Amino acid sequence: GNSVTQMEGPVTLSEEAFLTINCTYTATGYPSLFWYVQYPGEGLQLLLKATKADDKGSNKGFEATYRKETTSFHLEKGSVQVSDSAVYFCALSPMDITDKLIFGTGTRLQVFP
Amino acid sequence: NAGVMQNPRHLVRRRGQEARLRCSPMKGHSHVYWYRQLPEEGLKFMVYLQKENIIDESGMPKERFSAEFPKEGPSILRIQQVVRGDSAAYFCASSQGLAGGPSSYNEQFFGPGTRLTVL
Repeated sequence: GNSVTQMEGPVTLSEEAFLTINCTYTATGYPSLFWYVQYPGEGLQLLLKATKADDKGSNKGFEATYRKETTSFHLEKGSVQVSDSAVYFCALSPMDITDKLIFGTGTRLQVFP
Repeated sequence: NAGVMQNPRHLVRRRGQEARLRCSPMKGHSHVYWYRQLPEEGLKFMVYLQKENIIDESGMPKERFSAEFPKEGPSILRIQQVVRGDSAAYFCASSQGLAGGPSSYNEQFFGPGTRLTVL
């Protein structure tokens, strides 16, 4: 079946530190992969996506590369800001008729000045 | 352009009561998804609807839960005879069109969620 596993949080960093949040997946076929971000009191927002192996998604300084050989889609940012504090969700879509998303449990990031 | 709207934001029910959660999709969107987030867990897909049609309800519990998306008005997720285990955050997302496979992902835009507490 399809599933997503991501590292547990919270991840606590100082401003300007390097960020990695690990995500691995199990899927049949060729899924698309996503990172969503949830700020306090808000819904989820799409941060970046990759639709095939070796694609790199990027947005707002965040990057993630679709690695089929390691079934991973780790999120990275070179220099985090306090405003990046949020919960980050890794997700996949099996790209069948529905586009439904399968989420990991989420990782809370806390950035301190 | 308003985003996806959900109401109420917070809902408290006693065991055995009914809960009705509403979702108004973004303007121009005709497809709605419902997801549930139990405490300390990720979001789990429940149901995917097009106006007047249920396309995929593989994530819906077999009893007490139902969903609709009428021709006019918001999508409704209905939970009858709620139990404490139904306490969760329920998120709605909308997209523009029917999924078409690997090359045509339709981005889902999420609402802020309804937090249901069953006493």
